[in-house]
Amino acid sequence: GQQVMQIPQYQHVQEGEDFTTYCNSSTTLSNIQWYKQRPGGHPVFLIQLVKSGEVKKQKRLTFQFGEAKKNSSLHITATQTTDVGTYFCAGPNFGNEKLTFGTGTRLTIIP
Amino acid sequence: DAGITQSPRHKVTETGTPVTLRCHQTENHRYMYWYRQDPGHGLRLIHYSYGVKDTDKGEVSDGYSVSRSKTEDFLLTLESATSSQTSVYFCAISTSGASTDTQYFGPGTRLTVL
Repeated sequence: GQQVMQIPQYQHVQEGEDFTTYCNSSTTLSNIQWYKQRPGGHPVFLIQLVKSGEVKKQKRLTFQFGEAKKNSSLHITATQTTDVGTYFCAGPNFGNEKLTFGTGTRLTIIP
Repeated sequence: DAGITQSPRHKVTETGTPVTLRCHQTENHRYMYWYRQDPGHGLRLIHYSYGVKDTDKGEVSDGYSVSRSKTEDFLLTLESATSSQTSVYFCAISTSGASTDTQYFGPGTRLTVL
């Protein structure tokens, strides 16, 4: 079946440093979505990318969708303590019936 | 948060007992989902629904059943709970007409099976 892998699984950064998480799918995706889950909370939708090579920005967050639509990345510039949490990517399965979530990258910030 | 509530929020039960978790939405969206979240596994789909009485299995459906008799309620039942079903359970909805579009999650239910 379809697999969506994320690396790294964990990332510890000093406050102010940059952070990047990568998402790789075993199949081509029609779209890729990113979610953030704060500790003890529930996943919250951040953004959706649809086009090959698409880049979107939300303040300090930059999202990219690969040219082949099989990978994506989330980059945070100058991390802050509010960025703490787990970041998940998700993409439709082959039959476009449901989403498959990646395993997530847990970000912790060292003040 | 898209008007989604889950009950109970926390539950401790014993192996072999039946458990039902409830997800309630206030906006009559068609698609509803049940996920479980475990360390190292991310979010895994248990079952989903695409309308009243219309449900289908996800990737980890064994040991779980669901029902949707009203648009607003989606129930997840563990017929005979096992310790491997200790997890955090999230309900989600899709607000668009596509099952693979943006999903909005409820606050979660933390279930412990002793």
